[in-house]
Amino acid sequence: QQQVKQSPQSLIVQKGGISIINCAYENTAFDYFPWYQQFPGKGPALLIAIRPDVSEKKEGRFTISFNKSAKQFSLHIMDSQPGDSATYFCAAIPSNTGNQFYFGTGTSLTVIP
Amino acid sequence: EPEVTQTPSHQVTQMGQEVILRCVPISNHLYFYWYRQILGQKVEFLVSFYNNEISEKSEIFDDQFSVERPDGSNFTLKIRSTKLEDSAMYFCASSDTTRAGSYEQYFGPGTRLTVT
Repeated sequence: QQQVKQSPQSLIVQKGGISIINCAYENTAFDYFPWYQQFPGKGPALLIAIRPDVSEKKEGRFTISFNKSAKQFSLHIMDSQPGDSATYFCAAIPSNTGNQFYFGTGTSLTVIP
Repeated sequence: EPEVTQTPSHQVTQMGQEVILRCVPISNHLYFYWYRQILGQKVEFLVSFYNNEISEKSEIFDDQFSVERPDGSNFTLKIRSTKLEDSAMYFCASSDTTRAGSYEQYFGPGTRLTVT
């Protein structure tokens, strides 16, 4: 029940296109949903995050869409750039435990020039 | 920009040996974490640490593991009697607030542990 399922495992997008990565969860106690970006040799870095009281959050070219009833959330990268090529992880943290993040399995994004 | 640092970047050890992975969290942060990522798998929580004691740990964090804040800047993960399956990337993270705040955890670049 603490799993966060992420898809696709890998994604190839043309420059300027839209990249979409999806995550789904079961635990209704999750109340914070961040997306992390990881470049090779680096640790995960927070990209954008959302709480379940809103359905969408946008920061620049990055948007999280959140569907509470479906228990799904997704990351949209608009106007994808080669510099966006990285691994993206969704995560969730429940309100009824401490500060443990539950991560998805990651999506390797490649943006082709 | 302040960042979490980890040493070494790569550690090779023989099965049965003890290893200590070191982390320097961001200086004004109070909460510290260790995660691991087995190659090709997801990032998994190991332990969180606050006020010089473990605040939460996962099933992975058994008696083989221990954490310590030996001084005002370092945060260490000790793995006793390493096993082949301990081979993974180990990430340290820190945050300045917890449930009452932003939840944001800042991750270090990781230590790749290889057990042979």
